[in-house]
Amino acid sequence: NAGVTQTPKFRVLKTGQSMTLLCAQDMNHEYMYWYRQDPGMGLRLIHYSVGEGTTAKGEVPDGYNVSRLKKQNFLLGLESAAPSQTSVYFCASSLGLAGVDTQYFGPGTRLTVL
Amino acid sequence: KQEVTQIPAALSVPEGENLVLNCSFTDSAIYNLQWFRQDPGKGLTSLLLIQSSQREQTSGRLNASLDKSSGRSTLYIAASQPGDSATYLCAVTGTASKLTFGTGTRLQVTL
Repeated sequence: NAGVTQTPKFRVLKTGQSMTLLCAQDMNHEYMYWYRQDPGMGLRLIHYSVGEGTTAKGEVPDGYNVSRLKKQNFLLGLESAAPSQTSVYFCASSLGLAGVDTQYFGPGTRLTVL
Repeated sequence: KQEVTQIPAALSVPEGENLVLNCSFTDSAIYNLQWFRQDPGKGLTSLLLIQSSQREQTSGRLNASLDKSSGRSTLYIAASQPGDSATYLCAVTGTASKLTFGTGTRLQVTL
């Protein structure tokens, strides 16, 4: 099994450009999450999904949108990138609720916004 | 608002030493606490999950304890090896199953 995969691994954007990060999991997990990790700060939850067709805001949702059209995929979109969105983005999935069941993380996407 | 603190931020020990990593949290109303390992340029791997009703969990050379009332957890690594070098993160699960992560302790085990 591939587990949780993320595409792309690296990306450089100019301010104002848009892009979509793709997360895919092959474990039939209901729950999926997007986090960002910044130096000196813990991982922070951007958005999450408790099942196909559902999305919910996390701790830092502004400037991001998400979609969960298929159970195995969770997309994170940046409509108009800003330098403050330079970060490493991690996707995770879990069978049940986070903290009740183990979360499995992808390898991350390093995004730089110039 | 829950805050999770990990001290020290970095630690270097010689191979073979036993070591303790610390995690503290401000709100004791948690469902559980997890310890993760993160290798450079990689995602997180869950090491141990301690439910709020438990005092400790063990996996191989790793032992994690939880004192919910005092807001503290420790991760004990026995007989450290160079392959243990990584960043160790703790995270607590609070209301609405949201995880709050600490900033991590970067461990270097030297030969």
